[in-house]
Amino acid sequence: QQQVKQSPQSLIVQKGGIPIINCAYENTAFDYFPWYQQFPGKGPALLIAIRPDVSEKKEGRFTISFNKSAKQFSLHIMDSQPGDSATYFCAAYIQGRALTFGSGTRLQVQP
Amino acid sequence: DTGVSQDPRHKITKRGQNVTFRCDPISEHNRLYWYRQTLGQGPEFLTYFQNEAQLEKSRLLSDRFSAERPKGSFSTLEIQRTEQGDSAMYLCASSLAGTSYEQYFGPGTRLTVT
Repeated sequence: QQQVKQSPQSLIVQKGGIPIINCAYENTAFDYFPWYQQFPGKGPALLIAIRPDVSEKKEGRFTISFNKSAKQFSLHIMDSQPGDSATYFCAAYIQGRALTFGSGTRLQVQP
Repeated sequence: DTGVSQDPRHKITKRGQNVTFRCDPISEHNRLYWYRQTLGQGPEFLTYFQNEAQLEKSRLLSDRFSAERPKGSFSTLEIQRTEQGDSAMYLCASSLAGTSYEQYFGPGTRLTVT
């Protein structure tokens, strides 16, 4: 049962563009929504996380927008760079449980 | 480097053989997680430990899989009688109990079953 649905599967943008990755969840018991970045041959690494009582969070060029009523959240990458080319996973977390990951978005930022 | 380490990085085995993977978490982290990742998919939860206690196992974890964390430090994941469907990347992660949405992942062990 996929509890976190992620789209798109892949995304190509030009340098400086703003890629947007979307996720939707079903379980209202989730209490944290992190995003992870994964480069080839590496494990995922935490980028940014948000609680469901916050509508937006920014850290550097990365912004999470959260819509609790719609049960959706998204990642925006401002001024994207070729070094941002990676696979991005949204996830959802319930205290005391493991992370539930989306299926991933492969981002390519062209120079 | 005091991050999460995994050994081996790659393992090729024949169907029916047993394999064991090791994970060394960040030393002060009391939670340790195992995930499995197949190509083009997100990591799927297998099991996790708090200190030496195994607190949760996924339905994905068949009886051919067993994990231990004997002294609350490193962990091992054993797969018995491997099948081709077991081919995947096996990821280990660790965290502090209070901030377990923030997990630190190792580089993974890529298993290929021929």
